[in-house]
Amino acid sequence: ETGVTQSPTHLIKTRGQQVTLRCSSQSGHNTVSWYQQALGQGPQFIFQYYREEENGRGNFPPRFSGLQFPNYSSELNVNALELDDSALYLCASSFVGLRDTEAFFGQGTRLTVV
Amino acid sequence: QQQVKQSPQSLIVQKGGISIINCAYENTAFDYFPWYQQFPGKGPALLIAIRPDVSEKKEGRFTISFNKSAKQFSLHIMDSQPGDSATYFCAATWDSNYQLIWGAGTKLIIKP
Repeated sequence: ETGVTQSPTHLIKTRGQQVTLRCSSQSGHNTVSWYQQALGQGPQFIFQYYREEENGRGNFPPRFSGLQFPNYSSELNVNALELDDSALYLCASSFVGLRDTEAFFGQGTRLTVV
Repeated sequence: QQQVKQSPQSLIVQKGGISIINCAYENTAFDYFPWYQQFPGKGPALLIAIRPDVSEKKEGRFTISFNKSAKQFSLHIMDSQPGDSATYFCAATWDSNYQLIWGAGTKLIIKP
C-alpha cells in the first residue's frame, strides 16, 4: 500500500451537480497532484498543490478547483458536472525538491456522471 | 509539444518472452522518465525510471532503454510472467515539479 487514500471509491452524480473528492496523502509529503483518467486512456494532469498553493494546472476549466490542507489532506472540487467528467480521479502525493522523488498514487475515485 | 506517444496499445506475449513497449516525446525540457504499472481497480505504481544522462537502466527483469537524440525510450520486460499482465504507462516530467505527462497506456497480456 502507498499510504495515499482516496474517498469515496465510487460516486454517481447527476449532470449539473457539484462533487468533492478527498485524498489523504503521505505524511511529510509537500505536494499533491490530481489526475483525471478516462476509461482506456492515460491520466491527464489536472493541477498540483505545493505547500497549500496551486503550483501548476493542466488544460482543465476553472470549474475544477482544489485545496491542500496542512494535515496532508487535499480536495478536488468539480462544479457544474458534465457527462465527460465521468472518469477515474487519481491523487498523487510526493516530496518535490528531492532528486529521484516518487509520486505515490491512491486507488482513485470512480466518478460517473449521468 | 507536451505529448508523450506510446505504442503499442495492446500486446500479447508468451510466458518467458520479452515484452517491449515504446514511447516518444517532443519536449526536450523533460528530465525524468518514469514507467508506471497499473492493475485493474488500482492506482498506478512506479516500476522504473530513467534520466536523460543515462542510456539504459536495469532493475531485475525490467530495463529502460533511452535514446536522447531520437527522443524515444522503451521498456523491456524479460522473462515475462502472467503476473506482469497489467496496463503500463510511460510518462515524462520535470524533476523540479513532478507534473507527469502520460502516454496512452499499453495493455499487456502474458499467456501461460
